[in-house]
Amino acid sequence: GQNIDQPTEMTATEGAIVQINCTYQTSGFNGLFWYQQHAGEAPTFLSYNVLDGLEEKGRFSSFLSRSKGYSYLLLKELQMKDSASYLCAVTCEPHDKIIFGKGTRLHILP
Amino acid sequence: DSGVTQTPKHLITATGQRVTLRCSPRSGDLSVYWYQQSLDQGLQFLIHYYNGEERAKGNILERFSAQQFPDLHSELNLSSLELGDSALYFCASSVDQGSGNTIYFGEGSWLTVV
Repeated sequence: GQNIDQPTEMTATEGAIVQINCTYQTSGFNGLFWYQQHAGEAPTFLSYNVLDGLEEKGRFSSFLSRSKGYSYLLLKELQMKDSASYLCAVTCEPHDKIIFGKGTRLHILP
Repeated sequence: DSGVTQTPKHLITATGQRVTLRCSPRSGDLSVYWYQQSLDQGLQFLIHYYNGEERAKGNILERFSAQQFPDLHSELNLSSLELGDSALYFCASSVDQGSGNTIYFGEGSWLTVV
């Protein structure tokens, strides 16, 4: 089976940096997505990692270690609009199932 | 706007009833995924279709069924509804079924069972 763990909630201050961790145990791992979801809205794509290492995209970066079953999403220069849930999702065989974690609710304080 | 269209946006129905949720994928996308999101739960994978064929099944109840039509739109049928089926149902699409294809979500259909 597949298991994905993320912290339930985190709090950070506007302008700061926050790291949201995700660990997974899954067979047939192919890659890992990060999505952002504001309450009651559709998830929106942030990043996809398939190789080990860091992928940077503006204020957001995502890191993957396949051997450790570990990823993190790094958000810099936090803004109030970054208050949302961040979902870690793995793609795995068979047939590239995409399985989501429960998400991390991030609260940004002024 | 992701390009994925879901209808209806909101639906209230009674226990025991049956409803159909509809999804039109982004133009050119062949894969359609259905997810259920309850209040304290993450996105629960229900089912994946690719070009009209079922590709993967998640924790989909026997009371639920889905299909993808030749024009690639998809429908999720929920029957014998229970209070616990109240949730936000998302459809998502991607161009292909291979790894790394970003999936794009529709706005969801809010189902309330009373």
